[in-house]
Amino acid sequence: RKEVEQDPGPFNVPEGATVAFNCTYSNSASQSFFWYRQDCRKEPKLLMSVYSSGNEDGRFTAQLNRASQYISLLIRDSKLSDSATYLCVVNGRTDKLIFGTGTRLQVFP
Amino acid sequence: GAGVSQTPSNKVTEKGKYVELRCDPISGHTALYWYRQSLGQGPEFLIYFQGTGAADDSGLPNDRFFAVRPEGSVSTLKIQRTERGDSAVYLCASSLGPSGGPYNEQFFGPGTRLTVL
Repeated sequence: RKEVEQDPGPFNVPEGATVAFNCTYSNSASQSFFWYRQDCRKEPKLLMSVYSSGNEDGRFTAQLNRASQYISLLIRDSKLSDSATYLCVVNGRTDKLIFGTGTRLQVFP
Repeated sequence: GAGVSQTPSNKVTEKGKYVELRCDPISGHTALYWYRQSLGQGPEFLIYFQGTGAADDSGLPNDRFFAVRPEGSVSTLKIQRTERGDSAVYLCASSLGPSGGPYNEQFFGPGTRLTVL
């Protein structure tokens, strides 16, 4: 079983739609959680950290459920520019990052 | 300011050859990480340096892979006797290290795309 599991998608949604991604992690000792965004043939970039209380950044909302070891990302009012792969990430020992396989999002006009 | 840079951007080599991949971290970042990303997968951790020392090399797949960071800045990932299965994008990331706190952002370089023929 992978340490971080995500549905690879793709999710194809129209502009303006709300879309949600989920991921689960296996190591209950993980302390830090992130969503990274990766555009095609580019490096991953931090989208947002995920806090226990949940956090919002504009159209993006991240939630963490430690009891279920579950992380989510909600994108409201999708834009064409949101098309990318979204990587669920947890920290491991020594702060190395453990990535899921990523979920592909394609927003169409 | 300048981000993480990696050279070369692309490297094509033949099976059995030796390659070196270079990473220049963000100035002042004490932590440096190497990851490897295969097609359709997320990046996988290889090795972590805090300063000059390798604090965690548990992700190196075998003894053909080695990395150094002699002066605590630039790092070189070295792969001996390359195999076709080594083909991937090799990503380097840097961060502030322990002083950066629990949500210590890692900044990634553009990667080196390695192709072993």
